[in-house]
Amino acid sequence: QSVLTQPPSVSAAPGQKVTISCSGSTSNIAKNYVSWYQQLPGTAPKLLIYENNRRPSGIPDRFSGSKSGTSATLAITGLQTGDEADYYCGTWDSSLSAVVFGGGTTLTVL
Amino acid sequence: QVQLQQSGPGLVKPSQTLSLTCAISGDSVSSNSAVWNWIRQSPSRGLEWLGRTYYKSKWYNNYAVSVKSRISINPDTSKNQFSLQLNSVSPEDTALYYCARGDQAMDVWGQGTTVTVSS
Repeated sequence: QSVLTQPPSVSAAPGQKVTISCSGSTSNIAKNYVSWYQQLPGTAPKLLIYENNRRPSGIPDRFSGSKSGTSATLAITGLQTGDEADYYCGTWDSSLSAVVFGGGTTLTVL
Repeated sequence: QVQLQQSGPGLVKPSQTLSLTCAISGDSVSSNSAVWNWIRQSPSRGLEWLGRTYYKSKWYNNYAVSVKSRISINPDTSKNQFSLQLNSVSPEDTALYYCARGDQAMDVWGQGTTVTVSS
């Protein structure tokens, strides 16, 4: 049971937009920065978004993040088949004094 | 370009100690601005943060409550690396283990090491 809650799966057609939610609490998302990761099959997670909405160098602006209260959202526009992957949210939990992750969301591009 | 290279055995017997090492290139384990983590991933537990070590005038460690009694993460400044030791392992510790750099966001990851706990 993960501290952060994500939908198990989402799907959309190529070219469309999809959003992935991440629900937490007052001890984690509400107080700390949220990051998002993309994990392609057989590879390590890759940082997509940090500090709620900032993209590392090389990450296309099709990927964006937002946060409101105890929830965060990853949005992906202009979906491509190469975006099929598992996506995870993460943050610091001030009560647990630990990094916490969501359970992951599998994106299918139909 | 920062890279993390993991090493260690892929098979550990129950009740023994799991030991992994993460060698750093392109950064320093003693950097005042870097935090060094161990994270594992399994189908049953998803991504699970285990702990971290970092240097800010002195060395600090933080560990996940779930493994706090069994874990040790140590820097090795002479080799610019850090290590994970997990004692008294059981089959529930079978997972893909990663080292990673980052405070709240992990921007560099090792390649991962699959560790199986089995006799």
